[in-house]
Amino acid sequence: KNQVEQSPQSLIILEGKNCTLQCNYTVSPFSNLRWYKQDTGRGPVSLTIMTFSENTKSNGRYTATLDADTKQSSLHITASQLSDSASYICVVSDRGSTLGRLYFGRGTQLTVWP
Amino acid sequence: EADIYQTPRYLVIGTGKKITLECSQTMGHDKMYWYQQDPGMELHLIHYSYGVNSTEKGDLSSESTVSRIRTEHFPLTLESARPSHTSQYLCASSDGAGQQVATNEKLFFGSGTQLSVL
Repeated sequence: KNQVEQSPQSLIILEGKNCTLQCNYTVSPFSNLRWYKQDTGRGPVSLTIMTFSENTKSNGRYTATLDADTKQSSLHITASQLSDSASYICVVSDRGSTLGRLYFGRGTQLTVWP
Repeated sequence: EADIYQTPRYLVIGTGKKITLECSQTMGHDKMYWYQQDPGMELHLIHYSYGVNSTEKGDLSSESTVSRIRTEHFPLTLESARPSHTSQYLCASSDGAGQQVATNEKLFFGSGTQLSVL
């Protein structure tokens, strides 16, 4: 069964600190993996898209890594800001399916305190 | 900032009412989607469209219906709302073509409609 599991479920850090969010997936055959940021009451916004051949991709203070062999990804946030408080969602796409299905994780709820 | 809009942002209605959630995008995307999201849970695809006059049901069984008469417009209708329909509904569009989700295909979400059925 294709699944996306994220950990931790929630995380509280102090402003200025770094943090790392985890995503494990069982989706096969793998096509790409995306990280989204979702502010409360808003729609998700794309942070990164990674394919099988990419190990790391950065977007400002956000750096995503991908290990396609172990089917794990991480999102590292550097020098956190109050505006980073949001849910971070890992989304994996498979290939070969006529539906081109997207598999969503439940997200990690990050809270940044001043 | 994505040019995809949903109205209303919040809606509280009584059981049995008919409602339509609006979604419009100005990016000319052929592919559009409706997702349902409950707090702390993953998004579930309920409807999608590959273009005008094309609509399909998604993974999650839903009593809603959709239409795609114009490229930019993808409304979702509930004929008779029930408390079990209380949820957040997210509309999205993507810049891809065809049924596959291409590697660099970008998915843009609206701000969502929070529906509460009493």
